[in-house]
Amino acid sequence: QQQVKQSPQSLIVQKGGISIINCAYENTAFDYFPWYQQFPGKGPALLIAIRPDVSEKKEGRFTISFNKSAKQFSLHIMDSQPGDSATYFCAASNALSSGSARQLTFGSGTQLTVLP
Amino acid sequence: GAGVSQSPRYKVAKRGQDVALRCDPISGHVSLFWYQQALGQGPEFLTYFQNEAQLDKSGLPSDRFFAERPEGSVSTLKIQRTQQEDSAVYLCASSFQGALGYSEQFFGPGTRLTVL
Repeated sequence: QQQVKQSPQSLIVQKGGISIINCAYENTAFDYFPWYQQFPGKGPALLIAIRPDVSEKKEGRFTISFNKSAKQFSLHIMDSQPGDSATYFCAASNALSSGSARQLTFGSGTQLTVLP
Repeated sequence: GAGVSQSPRYKVAKRGQDVALRCDPISGHVSLFWYQQALGQGPEFLTYFQNEAQLDKSGLPSDRFFAERPEGSVSTLKIQRTQQEDSAVYLCASSFQGALGYSEQFFGPGTRLTVL
């Protein structure tokens, strides 16, 4: 069962444009929503994360928008640069029953290409 | 600085062979996670350790998969009698806090396993 749905699968943006990636989740127990960036041959690296008590978080050119009622969140990359070309994953986690792991449930990924 | 390291980076196995994948987490990190990433997909949770205790192995796909972290640092993921469907990148991640914290998970570069 896919608990986090991500779209689009691929995205091509011109340099300087805005990249927008969307995710929707089903499990209302999720309480932590990170975005990861992955370059070929590398492991995912945390980009930015949000908790559901706020509707927006901004770090530099990266912004997460969070809509708790719709169970949706999105990543906006402003002034996209060729160096941003990578695969982006949204994820979600929750504190499960005592002793269980706060493992991440990932979306299927978005391959972003920023054209020079 | 030293991040999470994994070895080998690439492993080719014939169907039916046993393989062992190693993860060296960041020193002092309590939590260690294993994920499986199929081609073109997001990582999927396999198992979790808090120090040397394996607290969650709900994501292991079959009893052919076994993980250990005997001294609470280095971890090994072992796959017995490999099958073609085991072909994937196996990612290890570690984090400073225990199970319920929001501590960032730092990923290694992964081991790409190909089963022929």
